Amino acid sequence: DSGVTQTPKHLITATGQRVTLRCSPRSGDLSVYWYQQSLDQGLQFLIQYYNGEERAKGNILERFSAQQFPDLHSELNLSSLELGDSALYFCASSSGTGETQYFGPGTRLLVL
Amino acid sequence: DQQVKQNSPSLSVQEGRISILNCDYTNSMFDYFLWYKKYPAEGPTFLISISSIKDKNEDGRFTVFLNKSAKHLSLHIVPSQPGDSAVYFCAAGRGNAGNMLTFGGGTRLMVKP
Repeated sequence: DSGVTQTPKHLITATGQRVTLRCSPRSGDLSVYWYQQSLDQGLQFLIQYYNGEERAKGNILERFSAQQFPDLHSELNLSSLELGDSALYFCASSSGTGETQYFGPGTRLLVL
Repeated sequence: DQQVKQNSPSLSVQEGRISILNCDYTNSMFDYFLWYKKYPAEGPTFLISISSIKDKNEDGRFTVFLNKSAKHLSLHIVPSQPGDSAVYFCAAGRGNAGNMLTFGGGTRLMVKP
């Protein structure tokens, strides 16, 4: 158990819908990262927050957004969902920036 | 453009022998590297890391070697155990770039009893 929690574990929705994925970092960690793992691709970095502020952005679509709240939990919002958004979404946390990232169990999203 | 590559999608090894997993990278700005292990339906689990100022780091049965001139790193597992069977990902990061990790595609290791 890494100490990073993600909810929900599974999510099934329809195209065009909007969903919110939630992540709670390990106690004391200030950085939260979001990654996407599709069937045909490896883990792709989406976005990083550090202590409430966006720190780095990867290949995140404009339909996707994220935020980190004062209690340091983070949410990833996916809107106007397409079939191709079906994937595993992982959250990771680290104590600061430059430290090892610890991953949560992931949310499996299926868009029908 | 894949900046981190694991060219072997799978590897099969006998229990007790050495497992060697390889990883190549192209971006010379990467300054730290990590290996993660992943079981089905779980998130990646951190195994071992190495900074670019070192060429070797050891932790129990796991050793990571870094060859900066060849832009190559490898993970050695000795001795291999059936419980090591999983997908192994190498990842690379830049300490001054928000620490986003770039992952390789993974290598599935099967350790046969």
